Amino acid sequence: EAAVTQSPRSKVAVTGGKVTLSCHQTNNHDYMYWYRQDTGHGLRLIHYSYVADSTEKGDIPDGYKASRPSQENFSLILELASLSQTAVYFCASRLGVAETLYFGSGTRLTVL
Amino acid sequence: GQQVQQSPASLVLQEGENAELQCNFSSTATQLQWFYQSPGGSLVSLLSNPSGTKHTGRLTSTTVTKERRSSLHISSSQTTDSGTYLCAIGYNQGKLIFGQGTKLSIKP
Repeated sequence: EAAVTQSPRSKVAVTGGKVTLSCHQTNNHDYMYWYRQDTGHGLRLIHYSYVADSTEKGDIPDGYKASRPSQENFSLILELASLSQTAVYFCASRLGVAETLYFGSGTRLTVL
Repeated sequence: GQQVQQSPASLVLQEGENAELQCNFSSTATQLQWFYQSPGGSLVSLLSNPSGTKHTGRLTSTTVTKERRSSLHISSSQTTDSGTYLCAIGYNQGKLIFGQGTKLSIKP
């Protein structure tokens, strides 16, 4: 079973502070994704990547940066956290575009 | 832009009844996957079905690509099927977007 590890599991941040969410996979997957989920809603795509050192914007990239320094690691960076960024963040990975997507356990971010 | 619409938003059934979930998408897609999200929040892939009909266990998915729609049929529902079912559509370069989900509640 493919493993995707997110850290931290939960975080409380202050408005205006910098937040970094980390994602690590050991599956040799090319594709990695960051989604956010707000209470009672589906998943919205923030950023994704299909190769190391390159990232693509998803549907809601504003206020977020992404970094893919290696095939295994994909980070989501909030330079200036805002209240509206309170949500659960999921990282996912897959080998190719037709392959199964595997999710991490999620990071619950609360911005105060 | 690319959109994914799921219906119904919620569904309540008695155990043993069948469930029918719908997914409609706005643009030609290269992939379609169904996912299950447990009440605790974990997400797992159920099946991938970009076209035609696919079965796995009590699940049957039918996708009509040219009509940009897919359905997920759950037969003989069980209380453990309760949760949220999400449809995801894949596009070029690996972009994968999700619908809002259908929340399914199975009563004993």
